[in-house]
Amino acid sequence: GESVGLHLPTLSVQEGDNSIINCAYSNSASDYFIWYKQESGKGPQFIIDIRSNMDKRQGQRVTVLLNKTVKHLSLQIAATQPGDSAVYFCAETTGRRALTFGSGTRLQVQP
Amino acid sequence: DTEVTQTPKHLVMGMTNKKSLKCEQHMGHRAMYWYKQKAKKPPELMFVYSYEKLSINESVPSRFSPECPNSSLLNLHLHALQPEDSALYLCASSQDAGIQETQYFGPGTRLLVL
Repeated sequence: GESVGLHLPTLSVQEGDNSIINCAYSNSASDYFIWYKQESGKGPQFIIDIRSNMDKRQGQRVTVLLNKTVKHLSLQIAATQPGDSAVYFCAETTGRRALTFGSGTRLQVQP
Repeated sequence: DTEVTQTPKHLVMGMTNKKSLKCEQHMGHRAMYWYKQKAKKPPELMFVYSYEKLSINESVPSRFSPECPNSSLLNLHLHALQPEDSALYLCASSQDAGIQETQYFGPGTRLLVL
């Protein structure tokens, strides 16, 4: 999602459904990507990463997809739970350049 | 263990005060970072230390002064701050600086400048 003023884009899903959070990046030279989860009042928590020589990586209940052609990254969360409610940030980097964070997406899980 | 600790959790200070934020990690990481995060915004990089030397300063005002006493500790000294400096200050660390290194974040210090 893209930031719109002061409002984070929000994805609202029902508990048990799958969630897909999207992220567009601009630097075609980026070669390492990370998804972070940030709960209210806490620091970002590492979820999963992917390198540019891959297009898919799976973790526990999470999958990250990378489409370098259109510079797009997505995070899929299977069987979304209330504890997944948080703001999700993608971040990307290349070489020794510092991480650049996306604008974030708020995930709200309805019980 | 991927824990980065930060103290204090909350800090309220006046514009004439001097205070310090502290960050600690015991993962043997050689790169440490300070970020500033305003509400509903992503973290913004302030400083990067690599092997205890300042390697990146993202044009941060001099009222913020970082210090890396040793490879496990990172401080951020605050002096004569402005109300707009109120934010969540996050510390992070990684094995090395860059080259596809995952950064692990602390819980942050929520700072309010009156």
